Amino acid sequence: DADVTQTPRNRITKTGKRIMLECSQTKGHDRMYWYRQDPGLGLRLIYYSFDVKDINKGEISDGYSVSRQAQAKFSLSLESAIPNQTALYFCATSDFKRTDTQYFGPGTRLTVL
Amino acid sequence: GIQVEQSPPDLILQEGANSTLRCNFSDSVNNLQWFHQNPWGQLINLFYIPSGTKQNGRLSATTVATERYSLLYISSSQTTDSGVYFCAVKTSYDKVIFGPGTSLSVIP
Repeated sequence: DADVTQTPRNRITKTGKRIMLECSQTKGHDRMYWYRQDPGLGLRLIYYSFDVKDINKGEISDGYSVSRQAQAKFSLSLESAIPNQTALYFCATSDFKRTDTQYFGPGTRLTVL
Repeated sequence: GIQVEQSPPDLILQEGANSTLRCNFSDSVNNLQWFHQNPWGQLINLFYIPSGTKQNGRLSATTVATERYSLLYISSSQTTDSGVYFCAVKTSYDKVIFGPGTSLSVIP
């Protein structure tokens, strides 16, 4: 969905490096999410945010941190990347005041060597 | 926590055939969505369907919340339908849980 953008789209990094993935949305939605997808598996929730001051852990938050800089921006950080964090990362938004349907960004493919 | 299962895990169809994909969940949910992940990795909304039946072109979905399952019907399949189909449920704690997906290949 073009209304949800992610940067970078691809990133290769080394073990121990700090990495930030960014997500921006123009949909005006209050809720934002970060997911991780491993090959052949479904998506797993890392963190979610209901508004700028409300951030919650998902299933697999260890090794990750997030920042909701504004309603439209939600970034995911890997403080010290490790190889098993190699995955496809998705950002999503939803509008709780309406249907709470989730809309996904294009994904960021992260490789940790 | 809530468990989400999808069946079948893999499906191969001849173009033009119909199919039914199933999503079972182990507890009450607040909502349910179906997504299609195309071969390029993009996730596309298909249906938001916490209960009842919806149709969109060749696709339709039915959720029977009291029996904890949802079905996605694909009629007259096309090669562009190939990819992975996920259902995702939202629990009363506002957590979203995805199923493992059904991988569909439609061959000409």
